[in-house]
Amino acid sequence: KNEVEQSPQNLTAQEGEFITINCSYSVGISALHWLQQHPGGGIVSLFMLSSGKKKHGRLIATINIQEKHSSLHITASHPRDSAVYICAVEGDRDDKIIFGKGTRLHILP
Amino acid sequence: DSGVTQTPKHLITATGQRVTLRCSPRSGDLSVYWYQQSLDQGLQFLIQYYNGEERAKGNILERFSAQQFPDLHSELNLSSLELGDSALYFCASTPRVRRSGYTFGSGTRLTVV
Repeated sequence: KNEVEQSPQNLTAQEGEFITINCSYSVGISALHWLQQHPGGGIVSLFMLSSGKKKHGRLIATINIQEKHSSLHITASHPRDSAVYICAVEGDRDDKIIFGKGTRLHILP
Repeated sequence: DSGVTQTPKHLITATGQRVTLRCSPRSGDLSVYWYQQSLDQGLQFLIQYYNGEERAKGNILERFSAQQFPDLHSELNLSSLELGDSALYFCASTPRVRRSGYTFGSGTRLTVV
């Protein structure tokens, strides 16, 4: 079993829909990151969380440390949100980073 | 432009050869990370440096080595290359060791033939 699991693996939705991507992890962490990778390959850091909730524009990220779970939400989704979304955790006992396998999101116009 | 510069963008080389990938972190960032992304493995953490010192090691092969220089740029050396080393290699930088948002470079696409 992977230490960081994302679901779903793939998601296709219509423009305007509310999107939720989930990340569960099995290790103790000091922080969790959400990354976005566009088809061209570039990676952008969206959020870094250690507790609670963060919001940036139409993106919202939440984390529940007790349940070892984080969600990334996209409101009013748009075709330009089509990308791979990757969850990554920083271990609390060392500085290693563990990545989920990513969620491929496709928003149809 | 993210502020993290990786060179070269593309590299094609033969099996058995050695290559060096270079990364200049964003101005003011002291920590540099190297990652490998292959089609079947996803993103994998290789190694982290902070202010010239190795900080953490991930799934880095013995054929690979890295260092961070006094001017904070970093180099990843890959030797005795195999076909399976073909991948995208990303560098990222952060201001601190932990709990900082990453700034990624655009990556180096390595093809081993």
